[in-house]
Amino acid sequence: QVQLVESGGGVVQPGRSLRLSCAASGFTFSRSGMFWVRQAPGKGLEWVAVIWYDGSQEYYTDSVKGRFTISRDNSKNTLYLQMNSLRAEDTAVYYCARGMRGNTYYYGMDVWGQGTTVTVSS
Amino acid sequence: QSALTQPPSASGSPGQSVTISCTGTSSDVGGYNYVSWYQQHPGKGPKVMIYEVSKRPSGVPDRFSGSKSGNTASLTVSGLQAEDEADYYCSSYAGSNNVLFGGGTKLTVL
Repeated sequence: QVQLVESGGGVVQPGRSLRLSCAASGFTFSRSGMFWVRQAPGKGLEWVAVIWYDGSQEYYTDSVKGRFTISRDNSKNTLYLQMNSLRAEDTAVYYCARGMRGNTYYYGMDVWGQGTTVTVSS
Repeated sequence: QSALTQPPSASGSPGQSVTISCTGTSSDVGGYNYVSWYQQHPGKGPKVMIYEVSKRPSGVPDRFSGSKSGNTASLTVSGLQAEDEADYYCSSYAGSNNVLFGGGTKLTVL
C-alpha cells in the first residue's frame, strides 16, 4: 500500500543540525512532488518545503530559508530534510507528504506519513 | 502571508450536518480552485478529505462535501458520525509555490 515513513527526529540543542528522512513505498516516488509539513505542539499545520519530482525545483517557507534544505534520492525512494541552525521555534512534528499537482506547481498533499518529532532545547 | 481563518471549534449531534468555513483573500482561496481539506485524529497524520474545492478522493464518504464562494471555502459534513470527531484543516495554494493552511477546527460530535 501507499506509505510514507519518517525518521531522524530527536532532541537537539539550539544551533545544531538534524537530518530527517522519509521512506516512500507503494507508488512511483520518482514521479511525485514531495512536501515537508510541520506541526508545533498544540498548533496547526505549516508548510515547510516542497521539491519537484525530479529535484529540479525546491521552495521554502520564509522562516526556514537559508537554514533548511529539502532533497531526494529517487534511486532510494527517499526524501530528506537537512535542518541547520535549529531554533526553539522549529520544535514540531515533521510530516512528509506527497504533493498534488496543479498547472505548474504543487498545491496540496494527498498522502501523509505519521510524522517524526523534533525538539530543539538546551 | 497570514494563515487562513477557520473557527476554532464546531459541533453537532449524530446525524446532523455541520459546516466549517475557511476564509482567505483573493490571493489564495479566492484566486485559485486549489482548496483542500484535511482530517486529523489525535496522534495521527492528516488525511485529505477534499481537494480542488469539491473533489473527494476515493474512499472518502460522500457525507463530506466542499464548496467555495469568493474568498471563503467551506467543508460540510452531513450525517455526522462519532468517527468524524477530529481536527479539520483547510489549505489553499497562495501563488509563488506557497501553500497556506488554516488554523484548524476541532469538530466535536455531541
